[in-house]
Amino acid sequence: DIQMTQSPSSLSASVGDRVTITCRASQSISSYLNWYQQKPGKAPKFLIYAASSLQSGVPSRFSGSGSGTDFTLTISSLQREDFANYYCQQSYSTVPTFGGGTKVEIK
Amino acid sequence: QVQLVESGGGVVQPGRSLRLSCAASGFTFSNYGMHWVRQAPGKGLEWVAVIWYDGNNKNYADSVKGRFTISRDNSKNTLYLQMNSLRGEDTAVYFCARGPPPGAPYGMDVWGQGTTVTVSS
Repeated sequence: DIQMTQSPSSLSASVGDRVTITCRASQSISSYLNWYQQKPGKAPKFLIYAASSLQSGVPSRFSGSGSGTDFTLTISSLQREDFANYYCQQSYSTVPTFGGGTKVEIK
Repeated sequence: QVQLVESGGGVVQPGRSLRLSCAASGFTFSNYGMHWVRQAPGKGLEWVAVIWYDGNNKNYADSVKGRFTISRDNSKNTLYLQMNSLRGEDTAVYFCARGPPPGAPYGMDVWGQGTTVTVSS
């Protein structure tokens, strides 16, 4: 199976900060990379697909980039409602896999 | 509106079985692949299984292969997960999610609220 490694596992940031989360695949997955946001006790929310395409309704402060094995999720100006856990997920192989998650906390 | 509602969770002893259901509404269920994803307490997301739109193809995570079976009834707009030989490590919140089968540049765009399965004696 393809392993997805996220870094950092957690970070502290302030409202207005620019935040970047990295996701690395154990082998090339082209651009078959998705990002999700999850708040405590809630279902995940689909943010980005195909590495850089914003899902409908997702604020434009979220963006994604990368291809092959290295990907990033960037929040250009962190808002209070963005404090949550973020997961990458590859949809390239027959067994989809998630990264371990990144917790974005308030500094 | 587009909605997925899971049911069937509960407390079950190790080695026993449980069947989860996921009722879909607000979209043409038979046009979409469907997934089960789980989350153990305090842990990250773990993909469990996927079924193609017509039910003819299925894939499973190694951790559940041979014990869990995903199925669907398109006439009832319902997805199922039959879980046999349950173990403590199967304790988790189980989410159903709408999404294409593997190999598509898209993700799981609609999620249910989750149902909790606790495996304990």
